[in-house]
Order: sequence, then C-alpha cells, then structure tokens
Amino acid sequence: DTAVSQTPKYLVTQMGNDKSIKCEQNLGHDTMYWYKQDSKKFLKIMFSYNNKELIINETVPNRFSPKSPDKAHLNLHINSLELGDSAVYFCASSPTSGFSYEQYFGPGTRLTVT
Amino acid sequence: GDSVTQMEGPVTLSEEAFLTINCTYTATGYPSLFWYVQYPGEGLQLLLKATKADDKGSNKGFEATYRKETTSFHLEKGSVQVSDSAVYFCALCRGGSQGNLIFGKGTKLSVKP
Repeated sequence: DTAVSQTPKYLVTQMGNDKSIKCEQNLGHDTMYWYKQDSKKFLKIMFSYNNKELIINETVPNRFSPKSPDKAHLNLHINSLELGDSAVYFCASSPTSGFSYEQYFGPGTRLTVT
Repeated sequence: GDSVTQMEGPVTLSEEAFLTINCTYTATGYPSLFWYVQYPGEGLQLLLKATKADDKGSNKGFEATYRKETTSFHLEKGSVQVSDSAVYFCALCRGGSQGNLIFGKGTKLSVKP
C-alpha cells in the first residue's frame, strides 16, 4: 500500500489552463504539506494543513489554491498556469506539526507548462 | 530567517570511498535536523534525523551528529556504494505551528564502480 500517493505523476499543459493535483495519505496523519521543487532541485514549502485547517501559506501566487476535503486528502489547484509554474510538486504528511516528526513524501507530480 | 546551507555538488566518488557532505544551519531556538535522500525519479525518503544537540542519527551506514556549537549536521559514510548515487538534502524543522521543513539546495552524489 502506498503511504502518500499523488495523481497524476506527469502533467503537461498549456499556459492559461487550470489544473489540479491530488494527494492522498493512508497513514492517519494530521498534517499535510505541498512543496515545490524547481529545475535546480531546490525544495520549498508552499502550504501546510493540519486537520483540514490551513497552517502555512508561504508567498505563493493566488493562482495556487489548496483544498483539504478531509485530513487524508490535500489537493492543489492551479489557475491560469504560467511557464514558471513548471516544476515537480511534492505532497507530504506527518503525524502532527511537531518538530521531531518525519515527513513522508509522495512520488511527486512533474508539471510542464508549454 | 532560518536557512540550511549544503556543500555544492555534484560529488563524484569511487565505490568504497569515504563520503562527507557538509551541512550548516541558521535557526532560532533548537530545530530538529534531517537528511533526506532522493533517488532518480522518486520522492524524498528520510535517511536519518537528530532532534537535539549531540544526538547522532544513523541509517544504512550513514551518520550525522547534531553539533550546536558549530551549527552543523554533516553527513558521513565510510564506504559508499553505486546504489548510494542520489541527491541528498539537509533540512531543519522548527516545529510547533511552523512544522514545515526548510531544505538545503541538495547535493548530487555519483558513485562510480
């Protein structure tokens, strides 16, 4: 059983389109995250949810909107896609937002905007 | 703000060579420290962690010690294998409501047979 799963694995789309990436975790964790990895492999937090409540919202364009229908799911919707949105997006989860807890990462979604 | 600095890669070693990847951090308070590994085409996996000063994390022959006095968490392995080829990320977590990881830029390791 996959602990943290993301769909789709690859997403190729044109500028201006709207797309969604889905994330599900079956670990019973309370906290979920979205990270962005750019072309140079640099990883940065985008959002964090704890029990469906938004905890962290880094400086991310308003075109990005996370949605958590329940604590096992955290989806990322992106409006009006731009070339600069091309990246690998990772979902992660942890038991809680405590500092000693390991975060479990999904396999990533490679988004390519043409 | 908090940050993590890792040595620039790529690092290329021969099999059975000794590995050190340097990592230093800047943070208020006492963060937890982590090393994550990313194999080609995969997500990140926790390699090891340390949650307080002088703790040593270890896993699969890799080790790192939390050094508060030098704000460092260097990754070491005595004898690398081809299968260790991957990108290694040092990260810190401050905990509380800010439980996200702050990553270094990653170090790509290539091990040649």
